[in-house]
Amino acid sequence: GAGVSQSPSNKVTEKGKDVELRCDPISGHTALYWYRQSLGQGLEFLIYFQGNSAPDKSGLPSDRFSAERTGGSVSTLTIQRTQQEDSAVYLCASSLAGGWETQYFGPGTRLLVL
Amino acid sequence: DQQVKQNSPSLSVQEGRISILNCDYTNSMFDYFLWYKKYPAEGPTFLISISSIKDKNEDGRFTVFLNKSAKHLSLHIVPSQPGDSAVYFCAATARGNQFYFGTGTSLTVIP
Repeated sequence: GAGVSQSPSNKVTEKGKDVELRCDPISGHTALYWYRQSLGQGLEFLIYFQGNSAPDKSGLPSDRFSAERTGGSVSTLTIQRTQQEDSAVYLCASSLAGGWETQYFGPGTRLLVL
Repeated sequence: DQQVKQNSPSLSVQEGRISILNCDYTNSMFDYFLWYKKYPAEGPTFLISISSIKDKNEDGRFTVFLNKSAKHLSLHIVPSQPGDSAVYFCAATARGNQFYFGTGTSLTVIP
């Protein structure tokens, strides 16, 4: 079946612009995670959605970052007033029910802020 | 503050030999540990996991060992194959909410 998809695959933007990154999880997966990987760093947790519960936003690095998950499926990560340090690969993952369930990752969106 | 650490950024091993990838963690509340494998331009894929109630989990050529007292886990691949060449990430979680990942170890298996 279809895996996790993310769009766009690459995004180049100018400092100060807003960007939206999209994630389509695997159908039926109730849990959705956003991570980012900066150059030379590990995956950094950003936000976690589980079903209809309030998301765990504890990993968001600043209030310029926000995420939504509409209808328990598609998620959008929005970065406002982008900064050069936001340049990274943004990875989305989904799992059946959160917790210890295996996370399936998308291919990522490579964001470059000039 | 890096709660999961992979101190070796790279490792090279001859085909057929054993690959040992190491991971250290600082949070004693972690109760579940995972290894992911990542090829270039792809997202990580799950490889193997272990819960804190075990000290070993084996799946084919892959074995993960957990030493809770040392807060250390390792992934053994034997025999190593060229297709195993990838970046390996160690991850840990407490109760399955946030997952903390290491910086990865790039494994090269030399034919």
